[in-house]
Amino acid sequence: AQTVTQSQPEMSVQEAETVTLSCTYDTSESNYYLFWYKQPPSRQMILVIRQEAYKQQNATENRFSVNFQKAAKSFSLKISDSQLGDTAMYFCAFMKHTNAGNNRKLIWGLGTSLAVNP
Amino acid sequence: DAGITQSPRHKVTETGTPVTLRCHQTENHRYMYWYRQDPGHGLRLIHYSYGVKDTDKGEVSDGYSVSRSKTEDFLLTLESATSSQTSVYFCAISNTGDGYTFGSGTRLTVV
Repeated sequence: AQTVTQSQPEMSVQEAETVTLSCTYDTSESNYYLFWYKQPPSRQMILVIRQEAYKQQNATENRFSVNFQKAAKSFSLKISDSQLGDTAMYFCAFMKHTNAGNNRKLIWGLGTSLAVNP
Repeated sequence: DAGITQSPRHKVTETGTPVTLRCHQTENHRYMYWYRQDPGHGLRLIHYSYGVKDTDKGEVSDGYSVSRSKTEDFLLTLESATSSQTSVYFCAISNTGDGYTFGSGTRLTVV
């Protein structure tokens, strides 16, 4: 069974600085997707970034980028130039690449609470 | 959120009463999911659907049932609400490996 581990329950960073959130996962699959979701105090779940395992290039979305290390089963999220609005819970998630209709489920980490301080 | 709505946003109910939460989508996505979110537990899957009338249990399905009679609607029913079901409930939709789109959540309090 797949598992996702986020080893940092809480982190803080000063505004404008860079922070990296860790995520490791365990799977025997060779093809899969990885995601980072953000949940601000409004509680809305927002997709931040997505990575396909067969793509070696790390995904980037504006100030958000990932360091995907497939052999190490590591998928860290880097936030550059942190802003107050980045304060949120961040969740890492895994999904097998499958066409099986009953097996398209996300496996979630427990989250990292990030506080951006002024 | 755009394309997916949950109702109600907030609900307070008494122990032992049935409760139904509704998830409605306008994206024509095949997959729909119900999660609950509790402190220290993250997101836990209750039930999910991979097509009309095709549903399956998640990891915390006891005390919950679902129905999907048409593509756009996925209902979650608490058959007899208990205090342990006080939680925030999220619906999500998915069509491919693009990940999930979530509704805004329902805060349910069982007193």
